[in-house]
Amino acid sequence: NAGVTQTPKFRVLKTGQSMTLLCAQDMNHEYMYWYRQDPGMGLRLIHYSVGEGTTAKGEVPDGYNVSRLKKQNFLLGLESAAPSQTSVYFCASSYPRASGNTGELFFGEGSRLTVL
Amino acid sequence: QQQVKQSPQSLIVQKGGISIINCAYENTAFDYFPWYQQFPGKGPALLIAIRPDVSEKKEGRFTISFNKSAKQFSLHIMDSQPGDSATYFCAASISSGGYQKVTFGIGTKLQVIP
Repeated sequence: NAGVTQTPKFRVLKTGQSMTLLCAQDMNHEYMYWYRQDPGMGLRLIHYSVGEGTTAKGEVPDGYNVSRLKKQNFLLGLESAAPSQTSVYFCASSYPRASGNTGELFFGEGSRLTVL
Repeated sequence: QQQVKQSPQSLIVQKGGISIINCAYENTAFDYFPWYQQFPGKGPALLIAIRPDVSEKKEGRFTISFNKSAKQFSLHIMDSQPGDSATYFCAASISSGGYQKVTFGIGTKLQVIP
């Protein structure tokens, strides 16, 4: 099993350009998440989805949009990139946290984005 | 507002020593406390976790100590090895209808020197 796969792994954008990060998981997880990781800030939740066709805002949603058209895929879009969006982006997926399940987050390897 | 405070931000330990990372939380509604380990160029992965009704959990060389009254928890790595060099994140989560809101600390970069 591949687990959680993110593409692309690296990308350089100019201010104002748009792009989409793709996340795919093969574990049949209901929940999917997008985090950003910045030095001294830890991992901060951007958006999440509790099922196909549903999305919700996390801690730092401004400047990002997401879509979950298929259960296995979760897309993160930047419509007009800004230097403040330079970061490492991580996608994660999990089962619901319920009896017998801890809701462990399974992360991809990250996508490093630089906005000039 | 940082709901989970983690310290130190970086830590250097000699091989064979004990590594200790501390975290404190504010929201008493948190009901699950995982630790994630991240190696360079990789995503975080669950290392060990504890529920608030338990004061200590041990898995091999890794131990979580939990103090509910003080709202603090810590990770101890016994007999630290160079292979333990990684960034460690404490986290706290609240479950609501199956969905869990996970709040991470800022991370501790651990370096174990031979």
